[in-house]
Amino acid sequence: AQSVTQPDIHITVSEGASLELRCNYSYGATPYLFWYVQSPGQGLQLLLKYFSGDTLVQGIKGFEAEFKRSQSSFNLRKPSVHWSDAAEYFCAVAATRGGSEKLVFGKGTKLTVNP
Amino acid sequence: NAGVTQTPKFQVLKTGQSMTLQCAQDMNHNSMYWYRQDPGMGLRLIYYSASEGTTDKGEVPNGYNVSRLNKREFSLRLESAAPSQTSVYFCASSATAGVSRTIFGQGTRLTVV
Repeated sequence: AQSVTQPDIHITVSEGASLELRCNYSYGATPYLFWYVQSPGQGLQLLLKYFSGDTLVQGIKGFEAEFKRSQSSFNLRKPSVHWSDAAEYFCAVAATRGGSEKLVFGKGTKLTVNP
Repeated sequence: NAGVTQTPKFQVLKTGQSMTLQCAQDMNHNSMYWYRQDPGMGLRLIYYSASEGTTDKGEVPNGYNVSRLNKREFSLRLESAAPSQTSVYFCASSATAGVSRTIFGQGTRLTVV
């Protein structure tokens, strides 16, 4: 069965510092991988996705992620964090079947940004 | 605005009451989904519908039923609500697998007392 692990429940960084959120997945075939962000009381917004090709994926809001098959990882990075990046971040893997795209989520990493 | 619309946004139920959460999408997507989000658990799939006329169980289907009314609408029903069903419920939709991205609604915050 597919699974996603986000080892860090909560991360605190200072504004302007770099950020890396970790994600490890378990999936038998080539994975479709996603990062979503959720601000308090809001729905989920897609930051970026990996389907195939270049293993370094660029997303919105200055985020990027690197797919490493050998490490079963898809870590999210940002060179310089802004206060508005404070939110909860979810990594997900898609299990596709019969045309559907079922997402299996990690438990999330809450990001706090200090001024 | 195009997207996924959920109603209601907030609901409080008493244990044993029933209710239906409504979801509609206007993107002509084939597949629709219901997830629940609990603190520290991420989102978990309750039920999904790969196409109009089909529904399948997800990871946590117990206590729920669904109806794919037509291509646009996918409802989630709680027949006898329990406090363990207190959660935030998200409806989502997607087009063809492998090339699409899943679009989420804004969520329904349900409290069962």
